Amino acid sequence: QVQLVESGGGVVQPGRSLRLSCAASGFTFNTYGMHWVRQAPGKGLEWVTLIWSDENNKNYADSVKGRFTISRDNSKNTLYLQMNSLRAEDTAVYYCARDRSKGRYFDLWGRGTLVTVSS
Amino acid sequence: EIVLTQSPATLSLSPGERATLSCRARQSVSSYLAWYQQKPGQAPRLLIYDASNRAAGIPARFSGSGSGTDFTLTISSLEPEDFAVYYCQQRNNWPLTFGGGTKVEI
Repeated sequence: QVQLVESGGGVVQPGRSLRLSCAASGFTFNTYGMHWVRQAPGKGLEWVTLIWSDENNKNYADSVKGRFTISRDNSKNTLYLQMNSLRAEDTAVYYCARDRSKGRYFDLWGRGTLVTVSS
Repeated sequence: EIVLTQSPATLSLSPGERATLSCRARQSVSSYLAWYQQKPGQAPRLLIYDASNRAAGIPARFSGSGSGTDFTLTISSLEPEDFAVYYCQQRNNWPLTFGGGTKVEI
């Protein structure tokens, strides 16, 4: 079954860290770029970051650059998002999404994991 | 960053009617635009990529058109399951950006 399953969300205080994971199955993970996209409660979609299949090339939105780090372990078919110095405005559902054939579109999505930054 | 403006914000229609959704870019994105559908409590689903190509498994009643700065998503005859929020997204420039969404409601 082709799917992405996120985990690791929760409630965290401002300034603290959290690591999200996304387990992939049913497709050849190491041949796809992977993204994180977030959605604040009741709001629209915001692209966060992309890591290409070779693990070396990454892109970040300005809003998270220097605070968030995307990585992947192709041997475990898993994508990660390390989030440091969290702010209230980082509160959102975080989706991992597969890149469509290096096209920078999102053709497979997980169900998301909620991150709430609050004191 | 490229700002995408979707209109209208809300579209009130009935099953069987035609829906026309607009996405306008502040600068040209060539044909590098996609459309997604999102239902409450669910992840988005890719409908259209590169302005006019239907993604795998998407019914033929969904069609996309446009290039440059003006794009349209058309649903030829609304089915009950089509009532949702629709987003456009550009991949021509970094960062990747989405429009604010159009809600299609009954």
